Amino acid sequence: QVQLQESGPGLVKPSQTLSLTCSVSGASFSSGDYFWTWIRQPAGKGLEWVGRIYSSGSINYNPSLKSRVTISVDTSKNQFSLKLTSVTAADTAVYYCARADSFMAGYHFEYWGQGSLVTVSS
Amino acid sequence: DIQMTQSPSSLSASVGDRVTITCRASQSITRYLNWYQHKQGKAPNLLIYAASNLQGGVPSRFSGSGSGTDFTLTISSLQPEDFATYYCQQSYTTPWTFGQGTKVEIK
Repeated sequence: QVQLQESGPGLVKPSQTLSLTCSVSGASFSSGDYFWTWIRQPAGKGLEWVGRIYSSGSINYNPSLKSRVTISVDTSKNQFSLKLTSVTAADTAVYYCARADSFMAGYHFEYWGQGSLVTVSS
Repeated sequence: DIQMTQSPSSLSASVGDRVTITCRASQSITRYLNWYQHKQGKAPNLLIYAASNLQGGVPSRFSGSGSGTDFTLTISSLQPEDFATYYCQQSYTTPWTFGQGTKVEIK
């Protein structure tokens, strides 16, 4: 059974760096046609795709965040991480990690973490 | 970016009603369209992938159809546990994008 769990500080000061980790069990980063993904949801708003990393190491970011976001993988710990720099109140959101599974060249989010609320405030 | 527009943004319905939610893409996404159910405080739950494929464990009252730019999620007989927000999402090209959501409320 694949499980994902986000962890990290729930409060970040403006202009600082938001850092979250997603711990994965029941799956490996080194195999499979999957994208390991970050998605966020600001309060009262919809879902926003942040970025993804493939098992080969290929990475794509949402252009709206590209200059501030970094996604990386630590295969030894079976974790992948999100760093978002220079945060503002607009980055306050529930952050989800998810695995995107392939089907006929498309991808869908079959497995999700429970979500981690990050508040940007001084 | 491909814009995904859902309609309606919210609806009120009764248990047993047939409910239809539509999702329109700003350009053709062939059939790379997924649907999710999201309840407050929980992770979104995959219902339909690739436009019309029912995810394992999802009740058969949920169905999806469409291709190109126009897609539909149908709940054939609304149940109490179906009151939630529903999102469509395209995986045709990055950035992957979601619709703004459709909130299904109790009438």
